[in-house]
Amino acid sequence: LAKTTQPISMDSYEGQEVNITCSHNNIATNDYITWYQQFPSQGPRFIIQGYKTKVTNEVASLFIPADRKSSTLSLPRVSLSDTAVYYCLVGEPGNTGKLIFGQGTTLQVKP
Amino acid sequence: DTGVSQDPRHKITKRGQNVTFRCDPISEHNRLYWYRQTLGQGPEFLTYFQNEAQLEKSRLLSDRFSAERPKGSFSTLEIQRTEQGDSAMYLCASSLVGQGVRRGYTFGSGTRLTVV
Repeated sequence: LAKTTQPISMDSYEGQEVNITCSHNNIATNDYITWYQQFPSQGPRFIIQGYKTKVTNEVASLFIPADRKSSTLSLPRVSLSDTAVYYCLVGEPGNTGKLIFGQGTTLQVKP
Repeated sequence: DTGVSQDPRHKITKRGQNVTFRCDPISEHNRLYWYRQTLGQGPEFLTYFQNEAQLEKSRLLSDRFSAERPKGSFSTLEIQRTEQGDSAMYLCASSLVGQGVRRGYTFGSGTRLTVV
């Protein structure tokens, strides 16, 4: 399973757009990129998943360049409630038996 | 769809005691996973089931740990002779094979174990 690297922490202010970049140099052809969000004392929550180019849902956008060696999670106009840990994962979720989590990025949104 | 339920939410036990946690996955999900998470770290994979078969176990899962999923429905995770190092949040997740590509895994809120 491909290893991922992301910043340990980020700060932002309410109303700003936040971009969290993840590196996954060894991504395999069949791997998808998935992002999870985790609040304290809760399990991770699925945010978005993509394979290439751009994916957008009601919560976030995911940008994946052509070489797929990195990806960027974009959160538009963050609020205080977006303060959480964000995990980038790479794998073939339909077939592999497990997700491998790194340390994640702790996003602190300030008023 | 009531989500993934875990019971209990919190457990405090004395070192050396046995504890058992329960996970009820989303009813139509055929895969069930157990993870452990300590403070400041991401969840660590422990084991997973497809239906009632346990398909993979992490080396983190020592012989004091055992997991079952009878009849492919709920699952239990038992820790025997607990140690202080077992203190952590134990997370359960479920998924439907083939659907993970679009929806990801659904996690429960976890069971926080404190060994004193």
